[in-house]
Amino acid sequence: AQSVAQPEDQVNVAEGNPLTVKCTYSVSGNPYLFWYVQYPNRGLQFLLKYITGDNLVKGSYGFEAEFNKSQTSFHLKKPSALVSDSALYFCAVRGGHSWGKFQFGAGTQVVVTP
Amino acid sequence: KAGVTQTPRYLIKTRGQQVTLSCSPISGHRSVSWYQQTPGQGLQFLFEYFSETQRNKGNFPGRFSGRQFSNSRSEMNVSTLELGDSALYLCASSTTDDTDTQYFGPGTRLTVL
Repeated sequence: AQSVAQPEDQVNVAEGNPLTVKCTYSVSGNPYLFWYVQYPNRGLQFLLKYITGDNLVKGSYGFEAEFNKSQTSFHLKKPSALVSDSALYFCAVRGGHSWGKFQFGAGTQVVVTP
Repeated sequence: KAGVTQTPRYLIKTRGQQVTLSCSPISGHRSVSWYQQTPGQGLQFLFEYFSETQRNKGNFPGRFSGRQFSNSRSEMNVSTLELGDSALYLCASSTTDDTDTQYFGPGTRLTVL
């Protein structure tokens, strides 16, 4: 069975500081990994994904994520956080024996203070 | 391209009633998935339809059902509503490729009184 964990319910960061949102996964075979962001009363917006190739993936709004196979992690990062980055972030995995089915993490609330 | 659209955006029902939610995927997308989002349970997968067939199913009771039409539009139905069914219901569409991204609609906020 595939699973994804986001160990932090909330991440607090000051504007201008680096932002990291953690994600670890468990899946047999090669995983497809995704990050989404959700603003209040909105659907999820796609940020970036890892399918294969370069372990560092660049996405929308200055976000990037690093795939680490040995640590089964896919942490989301942004070098300099903005107040407007305050939102709910979801990591998702697709793969293993559940092709077609996305498994989402519980979500991490990011709060960026001015 | 137009994004995923969901109707209605807001819905208020009473216990015991039934409700039908609609989702129109991005043009060319043949896979439609439905999710329930609540503060306590997070984002939970309901089911996925592909070419009018249910391809995957989550762990929800039979009161939750869905279907997909030949134009890929999808509907989900919840019968005999319970208070716990109050949630944001999200629809997402993607192409046939498993490497492809799911794109989400804005959701339907269902309140059961």
